[in-house]
Amino acid sequence: AAGVIQSPRHLIKEKRETATLKCYPIPRHDTVYWYQQGPGQDPQFLISFYEKMQSDKGSIPDRFSAQQFSDYHSELNMSSLELGDSALYFCASSARDRMNTEAFFGQGTRLTVV
Amino acid sequence: LAKTTQPISMDSYEGQEVNITCSHNNIATNDYITWYQQFPSQGPRFIIQGYKTKVTNEVASLFIPADRKSSTLSLPRVSLSDTAVYYCLVGPGGTSYGKLTFGQGTILTVHP
Repeated sequence: AAGVIQSPRHLIKEKRETATLKCYPIPRHDTVYWYQQGPGQDPQFLISFYEKMQSDKGSIPDRFSAQQFSDYHSELNMSSLELGDSALYFCASSARDRMNTEAFFGQGTRLTVV
Repeated sequence: LAKTTQPISMDSYEGQEVNITCSHNNIATNDYITWYQQFPSQGPRFIIQGYKTKVTNEVASLFIPADRKSSTLSLPRVSLSDTAVYYCLVGPGGTSYGKLTFGQGTILTVHP
């Protein structure tokens, strides 16, 4: 079965550079979530989209932005990168038109800022 | 969103049953209880979800008392591969399913 695809899997950037993370949800899933997980930390919710519109916002820095495109894939844009942005970034998708739904997570993108 | 409280860590041995309890005193009427499992450097994986009473699937059972202020994830006959972090999440289901908020999970270590 198709899963959530994230690219790239690994990314190394220098401070003050920009990065773009991509997420391809499971087909027919209409909701995408982004999470940041630092070393030894629990996943922190950043932002979510439902039907290409932002639905919830968490602890996403102003330097970050995200959007969901017409084909439902989503991109997380990160600018002015800081060392503290080094983390695993997970994308998840779900189908919100059903009750009692589960979210499926991708394998994550490991971002290292040097 | 309802705040959850779980034990920070638990230890068990292969073949034992493990019960992880989550406290969620201010759970709302439309909130569901969901458990996720996470291995190092991997995305969380859905285990089970329930609203009340008992739910069972091929990997776990979820017990929810009548007041819904707590829930217990039961893993039967754990193996070494069940060593992971387990998260209890409480939030609305259906069309208001806006986000999943992860609190501090339970680090389960299964010993030989």
